[in-house]
Amino acid sequence: RKEVEQDPGPFNVPEGATVAFNCTYSNSASQSFFWYRQDCRKEPKLLMSVYSSGNEDGRFTAQLNRASQYISLLIRDSKLSDSATYLCVVNQGGKLIFGQGTELSVKP
Amino acid sequence: GAGVSQSPSNKVTEKGKDVELRCDPISGHTALYWYRQSLGQGLEFLIYFQGNSAPDKSGLPSDRFSAERTGGSVSTLTIQRTQQEDSAVYLCASSSTSSKAKNIQYFGAGTRLSVL
Repeated sequence: RKEVEQDPGPFNVPEGATVAFNCTYSNSASQSFFWYRQDCRKEPKLLMSVYSSGNEDGRFTAQLNRASQYISLLIRDSKLSDSATYLCVVNQGGKLIFGQGTELSVKP
Repeated sequence: GAGVSQSPSNKVTEKGKDVELRCDPISGHTALYWYRQSLGQGLEFLIYFQGNSAPDKSGLPSDRFSAERTGGSVSTLTIQRTQQEDSAVYLCASSSTSSKAKNIQYFGAGTRLSVL
């Protein structure tokens, strides 16, 4: 079993749609949690940190459930520019453990 | 300010040759990380530096891989006797250890290594 597992994707959605990404992690000692975004042939860039209380940044909402070891990301009113691969990331003792990523394609 | 800088951006080498990849972290960041992303694969952790010491080398795939960091700044990742399976994008990241930064890692653009 992978340490961080994500929806396999790809997700193809129209502009304006709401998209949800889910992720589970296996190591309960994981310390911090993130969503990164990776555009084609580019480096990963931090989208947002994820907290147990839930956090929102504009159209993006992230949730963490430590009891069920589950992380989610919701994108509302999706834009063409949201097309990318979304990576669920867990910090274990300093090193980042990445999920395989879920590709999102937003169409006009 | 400048981000994480990696060089070269692309490297093509012949099987059996040694290569050196360089990473210049964000100024003031004490922690530095190397990752690898193979075609169609996720990112995998290689090694982590705190200052000049490497508390976690657990991700290095074989003894052909080594890394060092000097002066608490620049790091080099060396691959000896390269093999075709070493072909990948090698990514470097750095982070501040301040509590406010919460260990957020910032990535460089990577070195794309092709072993022929």
